[in-house]
Amino acid sequence: AQSVAQPEDQVNVAEGNPLTVKCTYSVSGNPYLFWYVQYPNRGLQFLLKYITGDNLVKGSYGFEAEFNKSQTSFHLKKPSALVSDSALYFCAVRPPSGNKLTFGGGTRVLVKP
Amino acid sequence: DTGVSQDPRHKITKRGQNVTFRCDPISEHNRLYWYRQTLGQGPEFLTYFQNEAQLEKSRLLSDRFSAERPKGSFSTLEIQRTEQGDSAMYLCASSSSTRGSTGELFFGEGSRLTVL
Repeated sequence: AQSVAQPEDQVNVAEGNPLTVKCTYSVSGNPYLFWYVQYPNRGLQFLLKYITGDNLVKGSYGFEAEFNKSQTSFHLKKPSALVSDSALYFCAVRPPSGNKLTFGGGTRVLVKP
Repeated sequence: DTGVSQDPRHKITKRGQNVTFRCDPISEHNRLYWYRQTLGQGPEFLTYFQNEAQLEKSRLLSDRFSAERPKGSFSTLEIQRTEQGDSAMYLCASSSSTRGSTGELFFGEGSRLTVL
């Protein structure tokens, strides 16, 4: 069975500083990996995905993520955080042969002005 | 708006009552998923459909929960004899399984259930 770990419940960062949200996964085979963001009382919005190819993938709102197979990680990054990036971030994994996403517990990001 | 829509957005009910949630997926998507999310937690998979067939159900889905997608378009999730532990956000998502699709899910805004 697949699983996702997000080791940090909360990440605090000053506006303009780089932001990193960590994610590690466990899955059989080559993973499909995803990041979603959730604002208060809203559904999840898709940010980016890794399926194959370049280990660095770029997504919406200036976010990017780096796939590291040896470390089974898929950390989300943004070079310069904005106050509006404050939200709940979820990493998710799907095996290539499966049809459902398994989500991590989420990391709350707080960007202070 | 061609996104996933869910109704109602909020439902407050008394313990023991039945509730039903509706989800309308993105029109060209053949897969539909239900997830449950409690406060501050990640979404937990409940069940999914491909067209009208319910292909997988989580062990989280007790006998009081039933989901249908009768014509392969909209879906309903019914909870019978609600309990306070059912209080959560119920999220619907859809995706496409067509060739070349990489299966990311597109979520609705969710239906928040409060059981008193």
